[in-house]
This record gives sequence, C-alpha cells and structure tokens, in this order.
Amino acid sequence: GQQVMQIPQYQHVQEGEDFTTYCNSSTTLSNIQWYKQRPGGHPVFLIQLVKSGEVKKQKRLTFQFGEAKKNSSLHITATQTTDVGTYFCAGPNPRVDTDKLIFGTGTRLQVFP
Amino acid sequence: NAGVMQNPRHLVRRRGQEARLRCSPMKGHSHVYWYRQLPEEGLKFMVYLQKENIIDESGMPKERFSAEFPKEGPSILRIQQVVRGDSAAYFCASSQGRVDNSPLHFGNGTRLTVT
Repeated sequence: GQQVMQIPQYQHVQEGEDFTTYCNSSTTLSNIQWYKQRPGGHPVFLIQLVKSGEVKKQKRLTFQFGEAKKNSSLHITATQTTDVGTYFCAGPNPRVDTDKLIFGTGTRLQVFP
Repeated sequence: NAGVMQNPRHLVRRRGQEARLRCSPMKGHSHVYWYRQLPEEGLKFMVYLQKENIIDESGMPKERFSAEFPKEGPSILRIQQVVRGDSAAYFCASSQGRVDNSPLHFGNGTRLTVT
C-alpha cells in the first residue's frame, strides 16, 4: 500500500538555526498537504501544494513539491520556540473509490532557547 | 463557525468495557475521518464516512471497532471490550469535500486510557 515517509524523525535545534524536513511517497501524489501538531494538541493544516515543482512561502516557512510529485520538503528559517511541534506531510490515497489522506511518519522539532 | 467538536476529551475505561467517542464535524462538512495516534507516533487512518455511509473502513480492526455517521447527530466511534492496546488518542477530522481540494480540520481528540 501507499507509504509516506519523513526524515528526520527528530530534530533538535538552537533557536535561530534553520530546520528542514523531507517527505517521500511511494506513489505519485495529486497534491501534498502539510500539518503541524503542537505537543498535546491536534494537527492543524498549514498548506497544500498541487503543481509539480511548486514552491510556497508562509513567512519563515518554505514548502516545496518535487518535480515528480513524489516528494516534498518544509524548510523553516531562523527557528523560534513557537515552531516546536511535529510536522506531518500527507497525501491523498490514489484509489478513486475512497478519499483519505495518508499521513507521513512526522518530524518532531524541538527548539532550544 | 465552531470547529470540529470531539467528546469526551479524556476517557478512562477498564479492560472489557465499551468506549464511545463522539465527533461533530464543522458546519457544512459532510466528510468525516477517524485517525488513531499512539504516543510518539503518527496518524493512522481508521475510517472515512459520509452521512449514513461508511465509505472506507480499511484502517479499522475487523473486530470490536465500529463507526457510524447517522443522518442526525454526531459521528460515533465505538470500541467494544477494550484492551490495553486500544489506549491512544483518537482524532476526528472533517472536510467540505474530497481531500484533493479540501484540507482536513481536526478536533481536539479523545485520549482513551484503558486500565
């Protein structure tokens, strides 16, 4: 079945350092979505990428969708303590008879002040 | 516009009891999804429902687990004869349409503890 892997599993950074998480799918995706889950919280939608090679920015966050639409990355510039949490990528299951998001394994980010 | 409402927030059950988790989707959302999250792990898809229909339950254990989304009222995830391994956070999410076009909105989750 479809698998979505993320690396690294954990990342500890000093405040002000940059951070990147990588997402790889076993199948081509129609789109990729990114979610953030704070410790003890619930996942919150960040962004959706649809086009091959697409790049989107949200303040210090840069999201990229690979040319083959099988991988994606999230880069945070100059991390802050408010960036702490787990970042998940997610892609739709390619089967037409269902409609669900398959979530990646997640990258947990810890930021030290 | 209220978000996705889940209750209870925390639920403690003894082994063998039943657990009922409720989820009211966002207003106007007809797609409901249940995910399970074990401590320090990712989100595992369980079931996808629309009103009165189970569309995809491929992620749900065949025994003891059931889900419904009646015409009136919230979606219910029911776990019969709970075991310790059922302890997890159960998240409900809703969307306005297909996930190709509509992001998921998650509730706060129900943290189930089986003693």
